[in-house]
Amino acid sequence: NAGVTQTPKFRILKIGQSMTLQCTQDMNHNYMYWYRQDPGMGLKLIYYSVGAGITDKGEVPNGYNVSRSTTEDFPLRLELAAPSQTSVYFCASSYDPTVRTDTQYFGPGTRLTVL
Amino acid sequence: DAKTTQPPSMDCAEGRAANLPCNHSTISGNEYVYWYRQIHSQGPQYIIHGLKNNETNEMASLIITEDRKSSTLILPHATLRDTAVYYCIVKSSGTASKLTFGTGTRLQVTL
Repeated sequence: NAGVTQTPKFRILKIGQSMTLQCTQDMNHNYMYWYRQDPGMGLKLIYYSVGAGITDKGEVPNGYNVSRSTTEDFPLRLELAAPSQTSVYFCASSYDPTVRTDTQYFGPGTRLTVL
Repeated sequence: DAKTTQPPSMDCAEGRAANLPCNHSTISGNEYVYWYRQIHSQGPQYIIHGLKNNETNEMASLIITEDRKSSTLILPHATLRDTAVYYCIVKSSGTASKLTFGTGTRLQVTL
């Protein structure tokens, strides 16, 4: 299993441009998550999904959109990039967080710079 | 979810045990203690979790105090590859349950 994969690894955007960060998992997990991590800080949840067709906001959803058309894929869309969105973005998945012992598996991250 | 408090940084000599403390004084009865680590900007990696009993796996041991208000992650024989930021997280179950990452403890393993 590849686990959780993310593309691209790095990207530089100009202010106002848009892009989609891709995330795919091959573990048949129901739940998927997007986090961002600013320098020296912990991860903050942007959006999450409990299954295909169902998404919900996390702590910091403004400026982002998500969709979940399949179990495997959970893309994150930035419509109008701003310098404040410069960060490292991590995608994660888990089987079922309603189970107390559920753990999340993380992808390698996408480092995004907005200039 | 309960908040956690960790020291910002610690050092450990290679080959020695690394003991990373975590305070979670407001933990409730149905919340687990999880530990993750993040090696140099990679994605966080799950290490271990526990409820009230001590736990051990191939990576580490977790010691939770009897009152559950604090815990210690033990890496028995730290290596240079264990240099990372270690996050202690208290997590409840439920569909809205999420991992809340603080700033963690930066462990530096030295020769």
